Amino acid sequence: GESVGLHLPTLSVQEGDNSIINCAYSNSASDYFIWYKQESGKGPQFIIDIRSNMDKRQGQRVTVLLNKTVKHLSLQIAATQPGDSAVYFCAEKAAGNKLTFGGGTRVLVKP
Amino acid sequence: EAQVTQNPRYLITVTGKKLTVTCSQNMNHEYMSWYRQDPGLGLRQIYYSMNVEVTDKGDVPEGYKVSRKEKRNFPLILESPSPNQTSLYFCASSLRGGSFRETQYFGPGTRLLVL
Repeated sequence: GESVGLHLPTLSVQEGDNSIINCAYSNSASDYFIWYKQESGKGPQFIIDIRSNMDKRQGQRVTVLLNKTVKHLSLQIAATQPGDSAVYFCAEKAAGNKLTFGGGTRVLVKP
Repeated sequence: EAQVTQNPRYLITVTGKKLTVTCSQNMNHEYMSWYRQDPGLGLRQIYYSMNVEVTDKGDVPEGYKVSRKEKRNFPLILESPSPNQTSLYFCASSLRGGSFRETQYFGPGTRLLVL
């Protein structure tokens, strides 16, 4: 996963607009990727996952895209709502069941 | 209610005083894991366990010990805590850990301050 500075990258989005959160992963051998949402004062919550033999997977209001060529993962949230305000982490899993997290992106939804 | 519990939720201690953070899950999960979360560094895996009596190092195991004597519990032990172990700690569990589409459930977190 990527490492960022002391301040989390922040995405400000208008309520109702679509959000796109990006993540660059580091291990080309990773075969499973997950997006987590972490609200203030809580542990991370699973949102959606994708296996490396797929390039797109859709859930309810969320879509994950995987580009293995450039080792890039993105999470798209449709019609962003105030309850979507949180920090979002991507995670990659390679052989050995170790899960490596990215540094996180803060999403702020403006009413 | 299916959950992962951690105790204590908040702890202030001094350098060198051994401490244990407990983690328990009631979902009969085989896989359990400990993470620490620090500003700008995201979540980093400390140790994980695929099943009873099976534990492996994660990315940052130095200064920590774990044990898995029974399926539901996975305590994190700091034999001689140091200030650089001040962090927010999360325990997590999932059914098997190696499978695709396996949700990992996280506990509420333990905030540790080592003076």
